Amino acid sequence: EVQLLESGGGLVQPGGSLRLSCAASGFTFGSYAMSWVRQAPGKGLEWVSAISSSGGSTYYADSVKGRITISRDNSENTLYLQLNSLSADDTAVYYCAKKVAGGSFASIDYWGRGTLVTVSS
Amino acid sequence: QTVVTQEPSFSVSPGGTITLTCGLNSGSVSTSLYPSWYQQTPGQAPRTLIYSTNTRSSGVPDRFSGSILGNKAALTISGAQADDECDYYCVLYMGSGISVFGGGTKLTVL
Repeated sequence: EVQLLESGGGLVQPGGSLRLSCAASGFTFGSYAMSWVRQAPGKGLEWVSAISSSGGSTYYADSVKGRITISRDNSENTLYLQLNSLSADDTAVYYCAKKVAGGSFASIDYWGRGTLVTVSS
Repeated sequence: QTVVTQEPSFSVSPGGTITLTCGLNSGSVSTSLYPSWYQQTPGQAPRTLIYSTNTRSSGVPDRFSGSILGNKAALTISGAQADDECDYYCVLYMGSGISVFGGGTKLTVL
């Protein structure tokens, strides 16, 4: 059974940093591209970032480019998202998501339950 | 700026059929944008319904189907049930690793 378990969320002050993790199991992690998608309270889904299966290619939404870094450790079956220079606009539930085999980065088949990041003083 | 458009809200009667759409503020949606559809109940993680235009995700009943209708992607729900009442999101792949979600459609079954 595919499982994606996010952690690392919490309350952080404006300008602060946070690193989110997503522990994957139930599939060959290193064979699949992965993404992060976020959802601000009461708002819709927003694609944030994606990474290729090897980690050699990374992609970011314009809204987070330069402040967020996606990475992965295929030996540990873990996906990461480093969040820097955080503002209130980054307050959201952050979901880890697995890409299907084939298709595009928009083609997700499994989602984690999410971890909440709250940026507030 | 790329904007993916969805109907903000829609209603359907129990047992009825409804088609939600996913468009672009400039241009047409085609299979090359790999439209995908996700369902979300408030407070829960999204659930994948359809990816790559018309491929149903594992365990999704065949009353959910995806297609291209005219210049938009479409999600058709037939035999609507009470627990279909939730939010539906489409996402399009814009190339170079970038995806863009639509604003979502809130579906009411009444």
